[in-house]
Amino acid sequence: RKEVEQDPGPFNVPEGATVAFNCTYSNSASQSFFWYRQDCRKEPKLLMSVYSSGNEDGRFTAQLNRASQYISLLIRDSKLSDSATYLCVVSLNAGGTSYGKLTFGQGTILTVHP
Amino acid sequence: DTGVSQDPRHKITKRGQNVTFRCDPISEHNRLYWYRQTLGQGPEFLTYFQNEAQLEKSRLLSDRFSAERPKGSFSTLEIQRTEQGDSAMYLCASSIRPGTGELFFGEGSRLTVL
Repeated sequence: RKEVEQDPGPFNVPEGATVAFNCTYSNSASQSFFWYRQDCRKEPKLLMSVYSSGNEDGRFTAQLNRASQYISLLIRDSKLSDSATYLCVVSLNAGGTSYGKLTFGQGTILTVHP
Repeated sequence: DTGVSQDPRHKITKRGQNVTFRCDPISEHNRLYWYRQTLGQGPEFLTYFQNEAQLEKSRLLSDRFSAERPKGSFSTLEIQRTEQGDSAMYLCASSIRPGTGELFFGEGSRLTVL
């Protein structure tokens, strides 16, 4: 079983749509969670961290369910510029002082069309 | 530009040759990571350094791969006796500890083994 699993998609949605991505992780000792975004032929960049209580950044909402070892990302009011690959990322190390190896999922491709 | 820089950006080599990639991290970052990414996959962890110390190395990394960070600044990744399966994008990232855990990636070095 892969350490981090994502539905690769692709997800094709119209502008203005709401879309949700899911991710599961296999190691229950995982402590830190992130969503990264990767544009075509570009390097990955941090989109947002995922906190236990859930967190929101504008149109983006991230949720964590430790019991189910499940992470989600919700994008509301999709824009053309949201088209990218969204990578779920997990680390075993606790936050704050000792991030070590970050494990990336396969990525979910999102295409937003007019 | 004060971001992560990688050199060369592209390398084409024949099977059996050795190749070396260089990464210059963001200057104040004490952690440096190497990842490999193939088409349709997320970045796959290879190894990471805290200053000059190599703290973790992936089991997937065969003995043909070696990475160094001799003075805790730039790093090199060498692949000996390259194989066609080594063809990939090699991504370097840096981060600062303690910190948020965000990885800052370079644009990558694309390796093609003929």
